[in-house]
Amino acid sequence: LAKTTQPISMDSYEGQEVNITCSHNNIATNDYITWYQQFPSQGPRFIIQGYKTKVTNEVASLFIPADRKSSTLSLPRVSLSDTAVYYCLVGESVMGRDDKIIFGKGTRLHILP
Amino acid sequence: GAVVSQHPSRVICKSGTSVKIECRSLDFQATTMFWYRQFPKQSLMLMATSNEGSKATYEQGVEKDKFLINHASLTLSTLTVTSAHPEDSSFYICSAITSGTSYEQYFGPGTRLTVT
Repeated sequence: LAKTTQPISMDSYEGQEVNITCSHNNIATNDYITWYQQFPSQGPRFIIQGYKTKVTNEVASLFIPADRKSSTLSLPRVSLSDTAVYYCLVGESVMGRDDKIIFGKGTRLHILP
Repeated sequence: GAVVSQHPSRVICKSGTSVKIECRSLDFQATTMFWYRQFPKQSLMLMATSNEGSKATYEQGVEKDKFLINHASLTLSTLTVTSAHPEDSSFYICSAITSGTSYEQYFGPGTRLTVT
């Protein structure tokens, strides 16, 4: 399982774009990159998942360079409600097989008014 | 879709008693469920992997006789904390996986256990 490294914490202001980068130097060929958001006393919530290049959904964008050794979660125009812990996870997915994923320490994002 | 529920959301029990936490996949069949524990300001720690119809696989350092896991059906897994102690007080979260080409875990809302 690929280990991930993220900044421990980040501060930003409402309306700004926030980019959180995750390093995963030993990512394997079959690994996907998934980001989760967690509010206090709640289970993690899926944000976005990607394998390479760029993925965008209604919540965020995920940028993955060609070597896939890092990825960047981009949150456009954040609001106070985006204050949460963000986890970057890397794991294998194969049809019919399940694997476990280990959570890193995550990034505590604090949005200021 | 892909909703996972947990029950109860909060529970307070006395030392020495046992507590059962249920994890259900409401609209899909989960061949595998995971149980995590999370202490305040810390990340999720995987406790065990639960496969339907077979014994759970516990992570190193997790006592299988203390944290009993049963995955009796494709939609239900239970975690029983036996002979609970105050140090077992934590936030317990389950997740479920559906097989497919992309990897995604669906997490439950968590259960706050307080042992007095």
